[in-house]
Amino acid sequence: QVQLLQSGAEVKKPGASVKVSCKASGYNFFNFGLNWLRQAPGQGLEWVGWISPSRGDTRSAEKFQDRVTMTTDTSTRTAYMELRTLTSDDTGVYYCSRDFSEGLVGLPGYWAQGTLVTVSP
Amino acid sequence: EIVLTQSPGTLSLSPGERATLSCRASQSVSSTYFAWYQQKPGRAPRLLIYAASNRAAGIPARFSGSGSGTDFTLTITNLEPDDFAIYFCQQCSDSPYTFGPGTKLEIK
Repeated sequence: QVQLLQSGAEVKKPGASVKVSCKASGYNFFNFGLNWLRQAPGQGLEWVGWISPSRGDTRSAEKFQDRVTMTTDTSTRTAYMELRTLTSDDTGVYYCSRDFSEGLVGLPGYWAQGTLVTVSP
Repeated sequence: EIVLTQSPGTLSLSPGERATLSCRASQSVSSTYFAWYQQKPGRAPRLLIYAASNRAAGIPARFSGSGSGTDFTLTITNLEPDDFAIYFCQQCSDSPYTFGPGTKLEIK
């Protein structure tokens, strides 16, 4: 079955960077895009971006474009999201999620457990 | 950016009742690219409905989705205790792919 496992919680200082990993198993890694999303404490869901493991092309929300880098390592079936120049507004749970189907880019169908990122002085 | 508005913000119902949740888009969204999710405290969201009206695997028939264009509805019949959660709508028609603010379904 599809499984996505993210790296553990992070605490960062303002201005620092964070890199979250997401290891996939149970399906053909190349065939489905991966989304990154975040949820601030007590808030709703926000789409950060998407990456195609097969082509390496990415899409991201404009507000993150200058600060986010999404990559994949196909040898280990792992996706990474790096967010730079962190502020307290970046505090929240970051989720990795696989596209539900090959034809539905940006529709998160399978979710990892989430990674809490705390930005604090 | 397509803005999704959900109503009501909170819905208080009893087990056995019927819940009707609405999601309105600021511009037309293709039904193919519209979904509903359920989220419980401390958990990742779970896909309920994709393509506006198709249930994801393992989702009970009590959950149904409908709508098109700018107005979409999630209906849950015969509410069970496990259904009380927050529900989000989402569009992936145009980037950025946006979510509604959520409807909290609480026990009355």
